[in-house]
Amino acid sequence: DTAVSQTPKYLVTQMGNDKSIKCEQNLGHDTMYWYKQDSKKFLKIMFSYNNKELIINETVPNRFSPKSPDKAHLNLHINSLELGDSAVYFCASSQVVGLAGVLKRSYNEQFFGPGTRLTVL
Amino acid sequence: AQKITQTQPGMFVQEKEAVTLDCTYDTSDQSYGLFWYKQPSSGEMIFLIYQGSYDEQNATEGRYSLNFQKARKSANLVISASQLGDSAMYFCAMREVHSGAGSYQLTFGKGTKLSVIP
Repeated sequence: DTAVSQTPKYLVTQMGNDKSIKCEQNLGHDTMYWYKQDSKKFLKIMFSYNNKELIINETVPNRFSPKSPDKAHLNLHINSLELGDSAVYFCASSQVVGLAGVLKRSYNEQFFGPGTRLTVL
Repeated sequence: AQKITQTQPGMFVQEKEAVTLDCTYDTSDQSYGLFWYKQPSSGEMIFLIYQGSYDEQNATEGRYSLNFQKARKSANLVISASQLGDSAMYFCAMREVHSGAGSYQLTFGKGTKLSVIP
């Protein structure tokens, strides 16, 4: 069974286009994330959603917008794609609990999707 | 300032030997978590091991162990009896508590590329 799935796996598009990447998790987790991995393999958090609320919004361009129709889905919409947006985008999910459980591994581990390789031409 | 530092861009190890991948971190939190992930050439992120800041014993998961030295703020990954399939990128990451909310983002190091030589 796939825990965190992303579609598409590969996305090739022209500069200026608008595209979406979908993410779904079947783990019952309450928090989902988007990470960007650049050409140098550096991974950086972009967004996270907890109970349909945006929790973290790092300094990403507002051309990127996460949308969560329900707890199991967090899609990433990108408008007016630029060459620099070319990267691998990973979705992840975790179960977040209050401080009482924050020390336990099972409440901290983030499960990653397979990644979406976006190429902007 | 970089919060997770992996000083070894690349490492080589002979098959069946042990190897240590370095990771140092910086945080003012008392409660935090440290993770190691493996990324093979196929691209997926594979969780390896976790260490909580209050765990008194070093974490172990099969051939993986985490050498946690809290005072030095280091969390080195030790892989014993290396196998060819261990060739991959290895990322150290830290979980920080986002104040006032229920999300715990991971901050990653730049990774170490491990190559296992037959």
